[in-house]
Amino acid sequence: GESVGLHLPTLSVQEGDNSIINCAYSNSASDYFIWYKQESGKGPQFIIDIRSNMDKRQGQRVTVLLNKTVKHLSLQIAATQPGDSAVYFCAERWGYGGSQGNLIFGKGTKLSVKP
Amino acid sequence: DAGVIQSPRHEVTEMGQEVTLRCKPISGHNSLFWYRQTMMRGLELLIYFNNNVPIDDSGMPEDRFSAKMPNASFSTLKIQPSEPRDSAVYFCASSLGGDRVPYEQYFGPGTRLTVT
Repeated sequence: GESVGLHLPTLSVQEGDNSIINCAYSNSASDYFIWYKQESGKGPQFIIDIRSNMDKRQGQRVTVLLNKTVKHLSLQIAATQPGDSAVYFCAERWGYGGSQGNLIFGKGTKLSVKP
Repeated sequence: DAGVIQSPRHEVTEMGQEVTLRCKPISGHNSLFWYRQTMMRGLELLIYFNNNVPIDDSGMPEDRFSAKMPNASFSTLKIQPSEPRDSAVYFCASSLGGDRVPYEQYFGPGTRLTVT
């Protein structure tokens, strides 16, 4: 598999710094959100999720923040490592009570970590 | 578990030819998804199955595309006839299904299709 590499927003950070990747979602009725990571040559990989009744959720080195007022989602990566270099996608589930098939993916942001 | 398995990994074909992409989901997963990824349109859901039954095929671009899931361990995506604009990476993903959160979908490595 290949990730889209051109024409994507790109974030370049120094190893050890924190990264913040932003996503504007489209549907105010979306009730669930996921962040995926896609490394070059691979399929997307689940990182973390959050329900719409939460505004923050933490995982290992990652935190997702949700601002429903402005329909904004962010992924924070602490102490960014070279292995974090990838394209990051947010996905939203359209419609309350919708099924998994209602997941809509954003275009992605490319994170580049400089050693 | 070997994860989601897709074949072939790369396919180069001429316009007008039939293309069949294959997917083996993770054992025990009840939902299967076919996605297409391009630079212009990003990741698009084509169709998904729940318990081998197609639930939503509204993402299938046109009648040239068809998907089947004859059993819980195998699915195909067929393009006939293929066109250059079908060139993309096609991903298959599977998940436990139902309404369980997280809706974690496990993606395969993808099939890179080039139609000349």
